[in-house]
Amino acid sequence: GEDVEQSLFLSVREGDSSVINCTYTDSSSTYLYWYKQEPGAGLQLLTYIFSNMDMKQDQRLTVLLNKKDKHLSLRIADTQTGDSAIYFCAESYTGKLIFGQGTTLQVKP
Amino acid sequence: EAQVTQNPRYLITVTGKKLTVTCSQNMNHEYMSWYRQDPGLGLRQIYYSMNVEVTDKGDVPEGYKVSRKEKRNFPLILESPSPNQTSLYFCASSSGAGVMDTQYFGPGTRLTVL
Repeated sequence: GEDVEQSLFLSVREGDSSVINCTYTDSSSTYLYWYKQEPGAGLQLLTYIFSNMDMKQDQRLTVLLNKKDKHLSLRIADTQTGDSAIYFCAESYTGKLIFGQGTTLQVKP
Repeated sequence: EAQVTQNPRYLITVTGKKLTVTCSQNMNHEYMSWYRQDPGLGLRQIYYSMNVEVTDKGDVPEGYKVSRKEKRNFPLILESPSPNQTSLYFCASSSGAGVMDTQYFGPGTRLTVL
């Protein structure tokens, strides 16, 4: 069945770039999403990419999609302590979202 | 302000005591769903609703019920809660169920069943 995989933890220093990776199985997914969950809060949609795109940039965020390898990544430039959160990638499958396990991003000052 | 609200935000209960978690959205969205979040498992869909009086099972529906009598509300009912239902629950809504319809999430309800 459809599956989305992420590494569970990433630690970076403030000011460095963070790259969070995700793999998915359903090649028919039309949209792929990145959500951010801050401590004690719900999920906030960060960005999404349409499957016919290779890259999408939005301020400090860059999403790269390798459709052949079914690999999605989120790059955060100049990572700040306020970026510390859990990041979920998700694919849209028959009207529902399939989420990865979430990657906890720790930003050290 | 467009939002999805859930109540309560935190709940501690005992095994077998029926409870309801409410969810309400003010965006006139047709599609609503419930997820549970568990460590290492991400979010898994419990139930979803395509419109009023239309509900269907998600991936982990066992032990849960839902109803959709009005467009704005989608309560999650646990008739006889058990400890394995201790989790963080999220309600979400979107204008449709299509891939282009962004889902908006509520703040979450942390449930502990003793």
